[in-house]
Amino acid sequence: EAGVAQSPRYKIIEKRQSVAFWCNPISGHATLYWYQQILGQGPKLLIQFQNNGVVDDSQLPKDRFSAERLKGVDSTLKIQPAKLEDSAVYLCASRERDSYNEQFFGPGTRLTVL
Amino acid sequence: KQEVTQIPAALSVPEGENLVLNCSFTDSAIYNLQWFRQDPGKGLTSLLLIQSSQREQTSGRLNASLDKSSGRSTLYIAASQPGDSATYLCAVKGNQFYFGTGTSLTVIP
Repeated sequence: EAGVAQSPRYKIIEKRQSVAFWCNPISGHATLYWYQQILGQGPKLLIQFQNNGVVDDSQLPKDRFSAERLKGVDSTLKIQPAKLEDSAVYLCASRERDSYNEQFFGPGTRLTVL
Repeated sequence: KQEVTQIPAALSVPEGENLVLNCSFTDSAIYNLQWFRQDPGKGLTSLLLIQSSQREQTSGRLNASLDKSSGRSTLYIAASQPGDSATYLCAVKGNQFYFGTGTSLTVIP
């Protein structure tokens, strides 16, 4: 079974530039999450999708972050414009629909904002 | 809001030792608790998942326990090896997943 795929693995940009990350979840997983992990901290949920609908985006900084999952499969997360404090690893995870199932993570995208 | 705490933040042990990592959470209304391993620069690898109705789960040298009423979970690693060196994270599933800040484990050969 293929795992969660993410690209790119690394990205370096200057502040005020825009950037986009891509995630392809495990086949058949209805739930998809984007997390932000700042160095030395645990992952923080940014947004949760159920199929192509948003379930929870309460911690997403909507003035600069956006995410979509148009066809209910892969997803993109965008930052525009980026700030220095956005430097982090962005993790995508997926899970089968039921709340009792475990989540599986991709390798992450390490973003550095200069 | 759920708060998840992991103690200690860092741990260094000689190879072969048994060790326990701790995870505590403030809200016992959870679906499950999941332990992960994270290697430097990598994503999270799932180790064990304990449902809220379960007391423990075992996989190889790993054993995780859950005491929902007291808001605690432990991850027991038997006969530690240098390859176990990594950061260990616990996450509880309520209305969303809440992560602890992790325990950084170093196993010295």
